Amino acid sequence: GAGVSQSPRYKVTKRGQDVALRCDPISGHVSLYWYRQALGQGPEFLTYFNYEAQQDKSGLPNDRFSAERPEGSISTLTIQRTEQRDSAMYRCASSLDRPVFSGNTIYFGEGSWLTVV
Amino acid sequence: QKEVEQNSGPLSVPEGAIASLNCTYSDRVSQSFFWYRQYSGKSPELIMSIYSNGDKEDGRFTAQLNKASQYVSLLIRDSQPSDSATYLCAVTGGGNKLTFGTGTQLKVEL
Repeated sequence: GAGVSQSPRYKVTKRGQDVALRCDPISGHVSLYWYRQALGQGPEFLTYFNYEAQQDKSGLPNDRFSAERPEGSISTLTIQRTEQRDSAMYRCASSLDRPVFSGNTIYFGEGSWLTVV
Repeated sequence: QKEVEQNSGPLSVPEGAIASLNCTYSDRVSQSFFWYRQYSGKSPELIMSIYSNGDKEDGRFTAQLNKASQYVSLLIRDSQPSDSATYLCAVTGGGNKLTFGTGTQLKVEL
């Protein structure tokens, strides 16, 4: 697609429910990232994939959070047993290759607003 | 100590002035440095990247990197009201993880 696409854009869920957030990266982009952004803060790293391999999941807050990218394209971030503190903007991003290499711009999607009530 | 530190601002400059935004980072093995602009309610967009010590200019924007001092800055010349946004500094280390600062809010006043 033309840009990084995320769905749903807005999600309200009850505490204790599971939620799945979807990310469709720019076509051909190898690297995919998930970030969480609270109001007034910078994006906080959650996890990162190269192709289908999850290279770094050090930012996932706890074992209720998981992510997958089974075919190296679309990715899903799943939060189990949601809690109110999980309420935030979840942003997906992608790049042609790893950012350490010059020219590999990371493009962000519009994000998924999650509210846990 | 946070990995990437920025003054949250707001930084107010008059239209036409130079805005100077600063960022320090803690990981000495950091290799790639980025400045993102984020308008309120929108996603971050890349405006500058820099990979080696010195200055890099792109239009009204100049990024400056000093790895010895672990310092990266962004200068915006001839600031315009449309430059009013939050500017995020981001850094990658050896593991390619992109770590962001909290951002500096810039206000360009008429």
